[in-house]
Amino acid sequence: AAGVIQSPRHLIKEKRETATLKCYPIPRHDTVYWYQQGPGQDPQFLISFYEKMQSDKGSIPDRFSAQQFSDYHSELNMSSLELGDSALYFCASSLKIAGGYEQYFGPGTRLTVT
Amino acid sequence: GNSVTQMEGPVTLSEEAFLTINCTYTATGYPSLFWYVQYPGEGLQLLLKATKADDKGSNKGFEATYRKETTSFHLEKGSVQVSDSAVYFCALRPYSGGGADGLTFGKGTHLIIQP
Repeated sequence: AAGVIQSPRHLIKEKRETATLKCYPIPRHDTVYWYQQGPGQDPQFLISFYEKMQSDKGSIPDRFSAQQFSDYHSELNMSSLELGDSALYFCASSLKIAGGYEQYFGPGTRLTVT
Repeated sequence: GNSVTQMEGPVTLSEEAFLTINCTYTATGYPSLFWYVQYPGEGLQLLLKATKADDKGSNKGFEATYRKETTSFHLEKGSVQVSDSAVYFCALRPYSGGGADGLTFGKGTHLIIQP
């Protein structure tokens, strides 16, 4: 079965640079979520989108922004990168009409800021 | 606010031992509850879920029952295998009817199964 696709899988940036992470949800899924997982930490919810509209917001820094496009893929834009932004970034998707209870996670993008 | 508390690891067991990983939660209303598993270097895989009180989620020999009276969702397996070694996360989704709410995770329990 098709899964959530994230690109790139690995990304190395320097402080103060900008990064863009992409997420392609499972086909027919209409909702995407972004999470950040620091080393040895639990995933922290950042933001979610349904039908291109922001739906829920968690602990997303003001330096980060995200959007969902008409084909349901999503991008997380991160500016003025800091060392503390080094983490695994997961995207998840769900189907709202099914209650949205089950979120399916992608393999993650490992961002390293040097 | 919402929170999930699960037992800290690592938890080390011998193969074929009985497993319990405790999870309790704090939330208003009736959240949905989940267990996710994360193998080294991989993403999170949904293991099982329960969406209302007294529901029992089960998958691959694992099971957990949604206990509202004790606000718990403990994970159990009767006989663990080496391949079960991973990090297990308990998570909740608040009840809002909207369907796009972010999950709140516990800190994770690292399970190590020795042959």
